[in-house]
Amino acid sequence: SQQGEEDPQALSIQEGENATMNCSYKTSINNLQWYRQNSGRGLVHLILIRSNEREKHSGRLRVTLDTSKKSSSLLITASRAADTASYFCATADSYNTDKLIFGTGTRLQVFP
Amino acid sequence: DGGITQSPKYLFRKEGQNVTLSCEQNLNHDAMYWYRQDPGQGLRLIYYSQIVNDFQKGDIAEGYSVSREKKESFPLTVTSAQKNPTAFYLCASSIGIAGDYNEQFFGPGTRLTVL
Repeated sequence: SQQGEEDPQALSIQEGENATMNCSYKTSINNLQWYRQNSGRGLVHLILIRSNEREKHSGRLRVTLDTSKKSSSLLITASRAADTASYFCATADSYNTDKLIFGTGTRLQVFP
Repeated sequence: DGGITQSPKYLFRKEGQNVTLSCEQNLNHDAMYWYRQDPGQGLRLIYYSQIVNDFQKGDIAEGYSVSREKKESFPLTVTSAQKNPTAFYLCASSIGIAGDYNEQFFGPGTRLTVL
């Protein structure tokens, strides 16, 4: 399987704290994307970072990409209870961008 | 109001029956996808379609079939040959497949239970 791996599998924090989750992948990529899934719902796209980018911001989200280590991290700053969800990374292979390979996800619980 | 819809939300099936899950999008996207998600797991690709009247198998296509007769619609049939069909099924679409156009938009999902 070429599925990526997120780390940690689960994370529990208090409101106001920062949450960091990591993603490792196996192939050369065109881009890497992060998605969020609330329990029992579809996924929502959060941010896309291209292979030639190293860092990207969107509101309280900060994504980094290290292609030499084949890894990415998602930082959520000043977390809120509403951030409670599962977070998935997905990669588009450099030579085959017609599909995304999703990771196994990090389950984030933010306590009020 | 643009988006992607799936129906039904919940579906119950007896063993040996075929069932069809609906997926419709009005985003004018060329590419559509079907995924399966098991509890606590990531997404596994069943089938995808880059254009009308064309589709490709994903990683777990056995026991499933699809059609893409219209740009807006990509129904998934779960056949009796699928040994363990109970799962959450997600449909998605994207503008295209190249570069940044492969950002995917997801429907709300269909939860299929085999009785």
